[in-house]
Amino acid sequence: DSGVTQTPKHLITATGQRVTLRCSPRSGDLSVYWYQQSLDQGLQFLIQYYNGEERAKGNILERFSAQQFPDLHSELNLSSLELGDSALYFCASGRTSAHTGELFFGEGSRLTVL
Amino acid sequence: AQSVTQLDSQVPVFEEAPVELRCNYSSSVSVYLFWYVQYPNQGLQLLLKYLSGSTLVKGINGFEAEFNKSQTSFHLRKPSVHISDTAEYFCAVDGTDKLIFGTGTRLQVFP
Repeated sequence: DSGVTQTPKHLITATGQRVTLRCSPRSGDLSVYWYQQSLDQGLQFLIQYYNGEERAKGNILERFSAQQFPDLHSELNLSSLELGDSALYFCASGRTSAHTGELFFGEGSRLTVL
Repeated sequence: AQSVTQLDSQVPVFEEAPVELRCNYSSSVSVYLFWYVQYPNQGLQLLLKYLSGSTLVKGINGFEAEFNKSQTSFHLRKPSVHISDTAEYFCAVDGTDKLIFGTGTRLQVFP
């Protein structure tokens, strides 16, 4: 158990819909990272937050947004969903904003868009 | 820009045999390298990392990796694998604000 909690574990929805994925980092970790894992793209970095502030942005679509709340949990919002958004979305947390330390990954949220 | 290439998408091996999973990196600056493992239906877990110092890095579960600057490689090795080592292995490089992962190598250990 990494200590990172992601909900929901599985989600099935239709094209055009909007979903919210939630992540609770390990106790004491200030950084939260979101990654998308798909068969054709591999593990793609989406966005990083540190202590409530956005620190880095990767290949995140404009239809996607995220935030980190004062209690340090984070949410990833995916809207106007397309078939290609079907993937496993991972959240990872770390002690600092530097990712040269260990990142702890949750078990992921599997999104299926029909 | 930093990147990593994992040369094998799948590596089948028999139990108790040695294994090497290959990773080459591209970086124009000082490089930090990582190996993560993903067991079925689980998140990624850090196996080992190279930040500086000794080029031979030992990790968990008996794995080790060697940083080779001249060959820009960071291959993962284990002298004797177990069935429980069956998993997906990801090499990653420091990408300034994020980790950049390779496409993964599926290690399948057969009895």
